[in-house]
Order: sequence, then C-alpha cells, then structure tokens
Amino acid sequence: QQQVKQSPQSLIVQKGGISIINCAYENTAFDYFPWYQQFPGKGPALLIAIRPDVSEKKEGRFTISFNKSAKQFSLHIMDSQPGDSATYFCAASKPRDSWGKFQFGAGTQVVVTP
Amino acid sequence: DAGITQSPRYKITETGRQVTLMCHQTWSHSYMFWYRQDLGHGLRLIYYSAAADITDKGEVPDGYVVSRSKTENFPLTLESATRSQTSVYFCASSESAGLQETQYFGPGTRLLVL
Repeated sequence: QQQVKQSPQSLIVQKGGISIINCAYENTAFDYFPWYQQFPGKGPALLIAIRPDVSEKKEGRFTISFNKSAKQFSLHIMDSQPGDSATYFCAASKPRDSWGKFQFGAGTQVVVTP
Repeated sequence: DAGITQSPRYKITETGRQVTLMCHQTWSHSYMFWYRQDLGHGLRLIYYSAAADITDKGEVPDGYVVSRSKTENFPLTLESATRSQTSVYFCASSESAGLQETQYFGPGTRLLVL
C-alpha cells in the first residue's frame, strides 16, 4: 500500500509548455516533501523540497505547490525544456523518524518534445 | 570526489543463486539505504542502516540480507535469487536523519534473474 500516490504515470509536453505532477498523501505526520529527478541510467537526485509551513516554493523553473488541508502537493515545471525529460518522484518523510526514511510515489515519466 | 558507487552495474544470474550487490560511499555518511525500483511501484525501501552494525528492515525485506561492518560499505545480498527480484537496485546515503536531510543515490545496479 503506497502512502504517497503520484499522478500521472507519464506526461508528454511540448517545449515551452507547463508540466504538472500531482501527489497525495494520507499520513498527517509527514512533514517534509522532496521531489527527486531521475535521468535514464542514473540514480535519482534531489530537485526541490518543501515543508508544510509554506504553500509554495520556487527554484528557477520548478515550483512546488502545497495544500495542507487537501493533503496534496504538486510540481510545476514552467517553460519545459527537452533537458527536463526525466522521471520525477515525489516523496514524504516524518519528522520523528530518526532513520530519515522516505516514502516515494510511483514516479512520473516526463517527455518534453522539441 | 567519488561519492557513492555501486557494483556491479549490470548482473545476470539464475534462480536460486546467491548474489551480492555492493555499495560504497566516500562521504562518511552515517545513514545508508537500499531501494528497488520497479515500474508502477517507484522506489521501495529494502533495508536501511544508521551506522556500522545498525541495520533494520524496510518495506520489502524478504529474500534480502544486509551487513554494515564499515561505515562506507553497505552490501545487499540476495540469498537465493528469484525472478521477482529482477529489478534496478539503488543504494543511497545521507549525512544524518534530521529533518530535510537529502539522500544521495548511487547509479544503480540492473539485476536480471533468469
């Protein structure tokens, strides 16, 4: 049973368009929500992260929107570029989890066409 | 700066054989993790470790064994490989387990069990 549900499974967007990936969670104890980016043949790498005390965080073309009451958060990729083609994973962790474990979503494969 | 490495990168084995996947990090990170990545399931935690000789089970530990005699190494052993263990395996490490701690992933090992 996945504690973090991610959608869509795949996404095709034209260059310059906006990519939107959504995640939902049930456990209100989650207190940290990172997004990881994975290129083919590589390991995932941290892209951007947010805590629930803010509703939005922006880093360059990447923005996380967080809705605590709905227990949802999303990643927006503005002005999508072919180099953004990758698999994106949302994740969540609990503050009292002394082991630093993450619960990952199933991943979204994003393809940006030229 | 080698970071975190995994070996082998690719492995083909037969059902019933024992297989060991190696993970080595040069940062002296305390925490290390093993994940498997399967389509539709994202990243699922197999085992994790907080320090040398301290390990615990994750979400999908059955059929796997880990050890951590040295901080920098965290090998994962499949005691008797099964076809369901065909997957991509990622090792990760983090400096600590505090809030907002980044996990750094290795390049992965692709394992095929025939």
